[in-house]
Amino acid sequence: KAGVTQTPRYLIKTRGQQVTLSCSPISGHRSVSWYQQTPGQGLQFLFEYFSETQRNKGNFPGRFSGRQFSNSRSEMNVSTLELGDSALYLCASSAGQSYNEKLFFGSGTQLSVL
Amino acid sequence: LAKTTQPISMDSYEGQEVNITCSHNNIATNDYITWYQQFPSQGPRFIIQGYKTKVTNEVASLFIPADRKSSTLSLPRVSLSDTAVYYCLVDSGSARQLTFGSGTQLTVLP
Repeated sequence: KAGVTQTPRYLIKTRGQQVTLSCSPISGHRSVSWYQQTPGQGLQFLFEYFSETQRNKGNFPGRFSGRQFSNSRSEMNVSTLELGDSALYLCASSAGQSYNEKLFFGSGTQLSVL
Repeated sequence: LAKTTQPISMDSYEGQEVNITCSHNNIATNDYITWYQQFPSQGPRFIIQGYKTKVTNEVASLFIPADRKSSTLSLPRVSLSDTAVYYCLVDSGSARQLTFGSGTQLTVLP
């Protein structure tokens, strides 16, 4: 089985721009969650999607949004980028049937905002 | 949401057993304890999960005392390739907002 795929691997943007990141989950997985990782704040939960619906949301501003398609692929969008948005963005997938399921993470998208 | 506390860093030598303890004082009845491992520039990888007592798999053991307010990840005979950040987290059923905390940087020395 192919693992979780995130694209692009690296991204450089400037302040004020917007960015869209993509995540393809493991085949058959219906839950996709997103995380932001920075050296200062660690790994922080952004949101989770299940069957095209946002099921959980972390404490991030509205500039961070996401969506999930019928094939379970998910996209995350950040608008009006700020320098502090520079981070490794990780997505994880799971079957989504029970709360203590193992999460499978992708390698992430490293976003640099200049 | 249950908050976890782990040591920031630990050093060990190859071949030794390493124990990393995590405290989670306000763990709820239905919560599970899960450990992940992360290498630089990669996503975390599941190591082990438990609810109570002891769980063992091919890479680690997890010890959870009766009060469940802490847990200990045990890595037998570590090697250089075990150098990584280890995260303890509490899986809360009501709203799955997984909180990874700061993790423990384990450095295995030759």
